Amino acid sequence: GQNIDQPTEMTATEGAIVQINCTYQTSGFNGLFWYQQHAGEAPTFLSYNVLDGLEEKGRFSSFLSRSKGYSYLLLKELQMKDSASYLCAVRDYNAGNMLTFGGGTRLMVKP
Amino acid sequence: GAVVSQHPSWVICKSGTSVKIECRSLDFQATTMFWYRQFPKQSLMLMATSNEGSKATYEQGVEKDKFLINHASLTLSTLTVTSAHPEDSSFYICSAYTGGETEAFFGQGTRLTVV
Repeated sequence: GQNIDQPTEMTATEGAIVQINCTYQTSGFNGLFWYQQHAGEAPTFLSYNVLDGLEEKGRFSSFLSRSKGYSYLLLKELQMKDSASYLCAVRDYNAGNMLTFGGGTRLMVKP
Repeated sequence: GAVVSQHPSWVICKSGTSVKIECRSLDFQATTMFWYRQFPKQSLMLMATSNEGSKATYEQGVEKDKFLINHASLTLSTLTVTSAHPEDSSFYICSAYTGGETEAFFGQGTRLTVV
């Protein structure tokens, strides 16, 4: 099975930087995804890491260390609209390549 | 990116009736589709995995006779909630996967309310 852990809630200030961590355990790692989800909406894709290192995409960056089973999502220059849930998901090739989601981190951005 | 269309976006039904939710991949062939359920303030929980032309694989605790999944073609999967009860009220989301090193694409989700 898989075990994916991320903090339940975080609060940050507009304009600041926030890092959301995710740790995982899986037998057949085949990629880690970060999604953003606003209440009542479907998740939207943010980033994908399958090799170690940092992937940068505008204000969002994602880091992966496969040996440590660890990833983080970094959000820079926070905006109020970034208030949402951020879901870490791991794909497992031993499980039909399905995505298993962590519990999600609810981020609240304050003025 | 690829488009997954899920219909309806929301539905209200009476307890004891059945509801069908459709998930279509519009511009690609989805070899695998996943159905998730999400209760308020909780994360997505996988209900079942369906591969075109074969029976769905259900996660532990999900009743296969209550949540009927059909994946008859490479572009359409349906989830039917049979004999719905108020506790089935939830947000249901489908996700389609093409295989290979690609992300899974999500439908818009269906808000089901059973009264």
